[in-house]
Amino acid sequence: AQKITQTQPGMFVQEKEAVTLDCTYDTSDPSYGLFWYKQPSSGEMIFLIYQGSYDQQNATEGRYSLNFQKARKSANLVISASQLGDSAMYFCAMRGMIYNQGGKLIFGQGTELSVKP
Amino acid sequence: NAGVTQTPKFQVLKTGQSMTLQCAQDMNHNSMYWYRQDPGMGLRLIYYSASEGTTDKGEVPNGYNVSRLNKREFSLRLESAAPSQTSVYFCASRPPEQGSYEQYFGPGTRLTVT
Repeated sequence: AQKITQTQPGMFVQEKEAVTLDCTYDTSDPSYGLFWYKQPSSGEMIFLIYQGSYDQQNATEGRYSLNFQKARKSANLVISASQLGDSAMYFCAMRGMIYNQGGKLIFGQGTELSVKP
Repeated sequence: NAGVTQTPKFQVLKTGQSMTLQCAQDMNHNSMYWYRQDPGMGLRLIYYSASEGTTDKGEVPNGYNVSRLNKREFSLRLESAAPSQTSVYFCASRPPEQGSYEQYFGPGTRLTVT
């Protein structure tokens, strides 16, 4: 079975500071991918960043980086220099690559981030 | 290139009514998905279609049916709506290649069943 856990229902961060959103996962698939999506109050799902389980380096996309610790089964999202526009719900998701027919994603419960001016 | 489109954006149904949520993508993707999102929860997969002509159940398929009409279109039908189906419904699609390709999401349909 696959599972994604996000233990922080809500987070606050001061503008321009960095923030880490936690994500832990469990899977029996030997190869998998981890994704982070942002959902602003307008409701759309925006892809942020991807990490493959066999990638040697942690993924980075602009102000977003993924702190991937395979042994601990964690894939935390780090947002540097927070901006007011970063206020949103953030979802961690996983896709097994070997045993997952159809490329299905499993989502965590989400973390609501609020950036304070 | 519109990406993934969904209709309608909002819908209110009475218990027992039926309706079909429409989804279309213009990116030539093979795989398409229907999710529901309830307050305080992440997205849960209802049904998916790995390729044209195939559909499979996801985590929460009860009360729903789907049709992969062609490569572009994947519809979700509620035959007899129940208040428990009040939710936001997202359609998504993904390219056929393996690897890092993410799912592309539509804007969502907000459904209320009274």
